[in-house]
Amino acid sequence: SQQGEEDPQALSIQEGENATMNCSYKTSINNLQWYRQNSGRGLVHLILIRSNEREKHSGRLRVTLDTSKKSSSLLITASRAADTASYFCATDIRDTGRRALTFGSGTRLQVQP
Amino acid sequence: GAGVSQSPRYKVAKRGQDVALRCDPISGHVSLFWYQQALGQGPEFLTYFQNEAQLDKSGLPSDRFFAERPEGSVSTLKIQRTQKEDSAVYLCASSLEGTSSGNTIYFGEGSWLTVV
Repeated sequence: SQQGEEDPQALSIQEGENATMNCSYKTSINNLQWYRQNSGRGLVHLILIRSNEREKHSGRLRVTLDTSKKSSSLLITASRAADTASYFCATDIRDTGRRALTFGSGTRLQVQP
Repeated sequence: GAGVSQSPRYKVAKRGQDVALRCDPISGHVSLFWYQQALGQGPEFLTYFQNEAQLDKSGLPSDRFFAERPEGSVSTLKIQRTQKEDSAVYLCASSLEGTSSGNTIYFGEGSWLTVV
């Protein structure tokens, strides 16, 4: 079963607009990561935010984390057609023997040129 | 190598056949993960190795699935007597250490398995 749920499942915007994707999870975490997946390709790491951080920036990406609400958001500013992809949040669950990430179901982003 | 390499990239198997999927992780990476990704879904954890030790195989869906990493580098995921529900992309990933330390996981392009 998947730990995270992304919202929305699909998002279509125009080039230049901002895209916001949300992720909710169920259990306490060590960190949360966002990944991108182009159609037919592997996943590419975008950004990691630790449980004691609230916000992080990387280029056009801004990630927030609210551990009290068990949620995170990924904002892509000034979107480009090349940002079209699926975006997944992944959590490193605290207090388990598992050392692997648990992924959400993803948001499929379409940026129209 | 420069990245995680997986082979074959595409495999069509007849139901009942055995398949073997290979993963060549980034050199020096201690941790290796296998994930299964169904169409339109996120990756689901299958198994995890630290060097040659398989520390977690809780995600393997049945005893038809078997993974090994005998020398702590290359790993093979074997699926015996394939069923149609095994059709998915099998993703391999590696990292320098485990994820709890916040290490980035690097994914391969995946092996696309279709069982007919």
